[in-house]
Amino acid sequence: AQSVTQLDSQVPVFEEAPVELRCNYSSSVSVYLFWYVQYPNQGLQLLLKYLSGSTLVKGINGFEAEFNKSQTSFHLRKPSVHISDTAEYFCAVTARQLTFGSGTQLTVLP
Amino acid sequence: DTEVTQTPKHLVMGMTNKKSLKCEQHMGHRAMYWYKQKAKKPPELMFVYSYEKLSINESVPSRFSPECPNSSLLNLHLHALQPEDSALYLCASSQDAREGSYEQYFGPGTRLTVT
Repeated sequence: AQSVTQLDSQVPVFEEAPVELRCNYSSSVSVYLFWYVQYPNQGLQLLLKYLSGSTLVKGINGFEAEFNKSQTSFHLRKPSVHISDTAEYFCAVTARQLTFGSGTQLTVLP
Repeated sequence: DTEVTQTPKHLVMGMTNKKSLKCEQHMGHRAMYWYKQKAKKPPELMFVYSYEKLSINESVPSRFSPECPNSSLLNLHLHALQPEDSALYLCASSQDAREGSYEQYFGPGTRLTVT
């Protein structure tokens, strides 16, 4: 069995400030890790994924995430956010089927 | 083309109606999925089709009936729904359901309201 915990349900941040969205997972087998973003009234879009190799993964729109096996974490970061980054962010793990975290609403304030 | 399309975008139906949701992809993917998403919640998996065969049914009520006519199309037939079935229904596809490393591509969803 696998599970995902997103530690913050809402993260407000001012424009051009850095942000970190936290994700912890648990699994009895090796998993792959993903971050998806969902803009209002839209489907989910893949931001980045970790399959193997380098633990620092770069994604679209300036986002990056670091896989930490010992802490079973996969936190998402962006050094400088824009208003357009306001959205719901989902961390997900999979061995075969996706298991999503509960989501983090990122709100970028002007 | 990395697009998954869904029709209609919005659907309002009564509890005695029969309607269908449609999903299409032309990426050559052999796995297709239906998810249900309630407001402020993550998507919940409903069905998985692998090579046009139903491989996973997450104990979904029989008023939801999936169909995969070919490798590019996925339908969800709806009958005698309840108001609590109102939600965003998302379709997704991936290269192969047997391998978790393949990312899923999501459509924009159908916003369903049951009155």
